Amino acid sequence: ETGVTQSPTHLIKTRGQQVTLRCSSQSGHNTVSWYQQALGQGPQFIFQYYREEENGRGNFPPRFSGLQFPNYSSELNVNALELDDSALYLCASSLPGNSPLHFGNGTRLTVT
Amino acid sequence: LAKTTQPISMDSYEGQEVNITCSHNNIATNDYITWYQQFPSQGPRFIIQGYKTKVTNEVASLFIPADRKSSTLSLPRVSLSDTAVYYCLVGDDTGTASKLTFGTGTRLQVTL
Repeated sequence: ETGVTQSPTHLIKTRGQQVTLRCSSQSGHNTVSWYQQALGQGPQFIFQYYREEENGRGNFPPRFSGLQFPNYSSELNVNALELDDSALYLCASSLPGNSPLHFGNGTRLTVT
Repeated sequence: LAKTTQPISMDSYEGQEVNITCSHNNIATNDYITWYQQFPSQGPRFIIQGYKTKVTNEVASLFIPADRKSSTLSLPRVSLSDTAVYYCLVGDDTGTASKLTFGTGTRLQVTL
């Protein structure tokens, strides 16, 4: 069973740039959720994708967008990066409903 | 979404039983209670999930009283490797949208 993998593991960007983070879901999981975790805080829900459609969104601006592909892998795109976007970005895959989330180890994004 | 409240931190000695309580006063009828463990620079890892009464697996037990307004994660005989942040989540199952809200978690420190 292949777990959730995220790439890259670390990334440094400049304010105003755009970034794309990638996630491969666990085998058999058709739902992908993205979270932002600032230092010392709990993960904050960004959005969720189910069968290639956005299925719920947290309190994040439109410059945070995503995609899910037919193989259930996913991308998180962030435009016009701000310093406060520096965080650990976590991807989690699951089955629909209340099934447990299976997390990757995240992408550490630093915006300078 | 149901809000959860947990102690910010707890300390324990190795070999002791640790009980972490989470309050979720406005839990909805369809909500499940899920606990995750997170080590530094890693994604959260599923520990246990329950709806009511008691659930036990190979690593923990989850106690949920009849009113479901709180829950207690019990870790038997903790070791140094159980030092981590523990999150209690209450799931919002709306069919295809499952948005689990993380709080700030409980930081457990286990010492000799």
